[in-house]
Amino acid sequence: NAGVTQTPKFQVLKTGQSMTLQCAQDMNHNSMYWYRQDPGMGLRLIYYSASEGTTDKGEVPNGYNVSRLNKREFSLRLESAAPSQTSVYFCASSWREHSYEQYFGPGTRLTVT
Amino acid sequence: AQSVTQLDSQVPVFEEAPVELRCNYSSSVSVYLFWYVQYPNQGLQLLLKYLSGSTLVKGINGFEAEFNKSQTSFHLRKPSVHISDTAEYFCAVSDTRRGGSEKLVFGKGTKLTVNP
Repeated sequence: NAGVTQTPKFQVLKTGQSMTLQCAQDMNHNSMYWYRQDPGMGLRLIYYSASEGTTDKGEVPNGYNVSRLNKREFSLRLESAAPSQTSVYFCASSWREHSYEQYFGPGTRLTVT
Repeated sequence: AQSVTQLDSQVPVFEEAPVELRCNYSSSVSVYLFWYVQYPNQGLQLLLKYLSGSTLVKGINGFEAEFNKSQTSFHLRKPSVHISDTAEYFCAVSDTRRGGSEKLVFGKGTKLTVNP
């Protein structure tokens, strides 16, 4: 049981490049989330998916798109990366019936130059 | 909508001293409350949670927290800290309503540094 996995662990992009961050969970959770973490800002929700086939914007969605590919996988895409998107990105999942407790992946450290 | 305020951004303490990390929340509905810990260069792990019942909640690694509804607080405590407790701690809140938002709202975090 791997829990929540994220790839890649590290990435450096140039301004304007695109990339997709991958996330998968093997706990049969129905809800999945993408956060970004910046110093002194805590975790801010980018997008979330309450179930397969649905996605909703969080607090900071601009510049990002998501895809809930199936129940296990939830990807985050940066179409045209900007230096302001330099951050650590975390994926999480939860089982709605269990009080929304979220399980987190190890994170992706992204630098945009 | 909910919000969470962690009153201290940094807390330095000496090993074996007690510690309290403060968390206040704001919500117009009933909430679940959580404390997560993040060790350097790692993801977040659940430390403890309050869902209902006893207001004193015990978690992993000797931590506990007390839910105080009248003061809308959920402070985290440990009677004697170890060097290995050095980490960042996040308080979070979610809506309890069925069909309500499933999102967690996080505080900005408190960095606990335990010195020898």
